[in-house]
Amino acid sequence: NAGVTQTPKFRVLKTGQSMTLLCAQDMNHEYMYWYRQDPGMGLRLIHYSVGEGTTAKGEVPDGYNVSRLKKQNFLLGLESAAPSQTSVYFCASSRAGGSYNEQFFGPGTRLTVL
Amino acid sequence: DQQVKQNSPSLSVQEGRISILNCDYTNSMFDYFLWYKKYPAEGPTFLISISSIKDKNEDGRFTVFLNKSAKHLSLHIVPSQPGDSAVYFCAASALGKTSYDKVIFGPGTSLSVIP
Repeated sequence: NAGVTQTPKFRVLKTGQSMTLLCAQDMNHEYMYWYRQDPGMGLRLIHYSVGEGTTAKGEVPDGYNVSRLKKQNFLLGLESAAPSQTSVYFCASSRAGGSYNEQFFGPGTRLTVL
Repeated sequence: DQQVKQNSPSLSVQEGRISILNCDYTNSMFDYFLWYKKYPAEGPTFLISISSIKDKNEDGRFTVFLNKSAKHLSLHIVPSQPGDSAVYFCAASALGKTSYDKVIFGPGTSLSVIP
């Protein structure tokens, strides 16, 4: 089992460029999440999905879009990147949405927007 | 305003001694608490959790203590080992009636265990 994988691991963008981060999980989990981690801020939820074909906003959704066309994949898109989106992005998945359900995280994508 | 606070950004402990990582929260609705551990270039991994109906939960060298009246929890690692050197995130959630219990993470404490 690969668990949760993220592509790419690193990326540098110029302001205004677009990109898509791919998250894949092979644990047949229903729930998937995208977080960003910034110094001194902890992990903040961007968007999440409670199942294939569903998405919902988290704490900091502005400037991002997501799609969950297949159960195993969760895509995070930046349509017009801004320097404020420089961050480390983590994808996670869990079997269900309750607190008792452990979230499994990917290794992260380090994004720099110049 | 951060609902989950970890006021010590870093902590250094000698190998074999006790490591105590602290966490405070402000939202009295939180009733489930988790600790995640993160190594460099890896994602966080779940370590231990505690429900608000308990004041202590133990798993091997790791023990979490919860003081609800003070809105404070702590993670004790005894004895500390060099492999415990990592960033530790405290997290909290409110077991709700919706399908998703939002988990709020603290900023993390970087633990260094010195051989």
